[in-house]
Formats: sequence, C-alpha cells, structure tokens
Amino acid sequence: ETGVTQSPTHLIKTRGQQVTLRCSSQSGHNTVSWYQQALGQGPQFIFQYYREEENGRGNFPPRFSGLQFPNYSSELNVNALELDDSALYLCASSSSGGESETQYFGPGTRLLVL
Amino acid sequence: EDQVTQSPEALRLQEGESSSLNCSYTVSGLRGLFWYRQDPGKGPEFLFTLYSAGEEKEKERLKATLTKKESFLHITAPKPEDSATYLCAVGSGGSYIPTFGRGTSLIVHP
Repeated sequence: ETGVTQSPTHLIKTRGQQVTLRCSSQSGHNTVSWYQQALGQGPQFIFQYYREEENGRGNFPPRFSGLQFPNYSSELNVNALELDDSALYLCASSSSGGESETQYFGPGTRLLVL
Repeated sequence: EDQVTQSPEALRLQEGESSSLNCSYTVSGLRGLFWYRQDPGKGPEFLFTLYSAGEEKEKERLKATLTKKESFLHITAPKPEDSATYLCAVGSGGSYIPTFGRGTSLIVHP
C-alpha cells in the first residue's frame, strides 16, 4: 500500500510569486485535504476535495485554490504569495468523502516566502 | 465553533517516567477524536481514533481514552524515541474535517 506523497519537499519563493504544490493520495482514498501548519501551531484546514469537487473550505482567501484529478491526486495553488504564507503545507487523504474517520498525512512541503 | 485545547504545551520526562497528555474539546456533536504524532519537519502520523465516551485504544506504550469533555494520551514507561509533538484533533457535526489543537511537545531524556 502506497502512502501519501508530496512534492516538492522544500520550496523558496519571493513575495508576489505563485506556487503549486502536489499530492498523491494513499491507494484506495478518494478524498484529499490540505492544511497549513505554521511553526508551533496545529494544522489549519485549507480545503478538501472529494471526487474532483471542493467539499469544504477553511478560512483562507481565494488566492488559495486547488484541484483534484481523476486519479485522486491533488494540487494546491497559492497566488500572490505573502510572507505569512511561509509554513509547512500538509496533504492528507481519506476515503468516502471525508466520512471515513481517519486522515493520513503526507510528509509535507516546507514553503519559505522571502 | 469547535475548540481543542491541549495541555501541557511542553513536557519533559525521564526515560521510564509515565505521564499523561490532555486534550480538552468543545464540539457540537463529536464524530471522532484523533491523536497524531508529529516529528519535527514531518507530517503527522496517525495513532488513534476514538468515537464515544468510555472508549480506549492502545498501541505499544500509548493508551488513549475519551470522556465527554476530554481525551487523555497515557504514555507508559516512555523511551527517548517517543519524543515528538502529539496532536489532538476533533471532527464534529456534518463533517470529519478535523480541528486541531496546538499540540504537546514531549521530550524523553535517557
């Protein structure tokens, strides 16, 4: 069974640029959620995708957007990067539209915005 | 709005010194309480899911319990490799999208 993978592992961008982060869900999972984790904080929910449709969104501005593909992999796009966007971005997969009890996380992408 | 509070923020133990981490929660209709372990710079690793008051689950030196207002993660005879941040999260209402606490940073000294 393949776990959740994310790419890239690390990324450095400058303010105003755009970034795309990628996630491959665990085998058999059809739901992907994205989180932002600042240093010393718990993960904050950005949004969730189920069968290629957005299935819930946290308190993040529209410049955070996403996609889910037919193979259930996913992308997180962030436009007009700000310094405060520097964080660990986590992808988690689960099954059955989030009604499964457990989300399994990937290793994360560390984003630094200068 | 769901709220999750973890205590203590940080805990230092000697190897073999058992202790408990606390997760207090306020939710509208608990659908699941989750415990994760997170090593520095890595993604959270799933430990347990609890669904109802009175439920308990164990894994090696860890035991998670649940009441109507809080959950405890008991660590028995910890080893240095148990050092990590332990995260608690709750799912409620119509969604399993969890709300996370800030975590407890555990350091176990040899």
